[in-house]
Amino acid sequence: SYVLTQAPSVSVAPGKTARITCGGNNIGGKSVHWYQQKPGQAPVLVIYYDRERPSGIPQRFSGSNSENTATLTISGVEAEDEADYFCQVWDSTSDHVVFGGGTKLTVL
Amino acid sequence: QVQLQESGPGLVKPSETLSLTCSVSGYSIGTGFYWGWIRQSPGKGLEYIGSIFHGGPTYYNPSLKSRVTVSLDTSNNQFSLRLSSMTAADTAVYFCARVPVVRPYYFDYWGQGTLVAVSS
Repeated sequence: SYVLTQAPSVSVAPGKTARITCGGNNIGGKSVHWYQQKPGQAPVLVIYYDRERPSGIPQRFSGSNSENTATLTISGVEAEDEADYFCQVWDSTSDHVVFGGGTKLTVL
Repeated sequence: QVQLQESGPGLVKPSETLSLTCSVSGYSIGTGFYWGWIRQSPGKGLEYIGSIFHGGPTYYNPSLKSRVTVSLDTSNNQFSLRLSSMTAADTAVYFCARVPVVRPYYFDYWGQGTLVAVSS
């Protein structure tokens, strides 16, 4: 089955840039979506189709996807961005929706 | 603003069937979009369960397909999940969500989630 690999944690100082990666075999050939989840809350879609931003999501959130790595970039990180971030794809071979294990972003 | 809210029992006995309902406000579910369920547990992370389109097909996680039924009640603007033969491995927070597209899937509005424990 298709596997998405995320680092368990990333730390960044306020105002700096956070890059959260999602690794998968030829993930560049799939559409990647990213969710933010704060403790006790539902996930919020922050990026879809690799780089599209839903209305209401700050411009500091951006995405890219190439070869074997998709990346969620948060520029000018703010304290409110501290959360878990999950990547997600659909694997056409197995017809499975696959989520990454999540990355906990800590704002120092 | 689309809002979703799950409801159902917080505790289910092993071998029983779980029934959950998702009430939707701010959008008429019979108008369009797919509507689906995702669960989250410490051991398995986020897991897609299934989704449905008004008057159209359902799409289920192949790993759960034999136990899952998702249905739509447009008169009450709700949709439901039934998961049979529950075991401890099904203990999780269950979310309902709007699914703008299937194959590929993503989920743009989510409910707050409801915790379901399986125990005798």
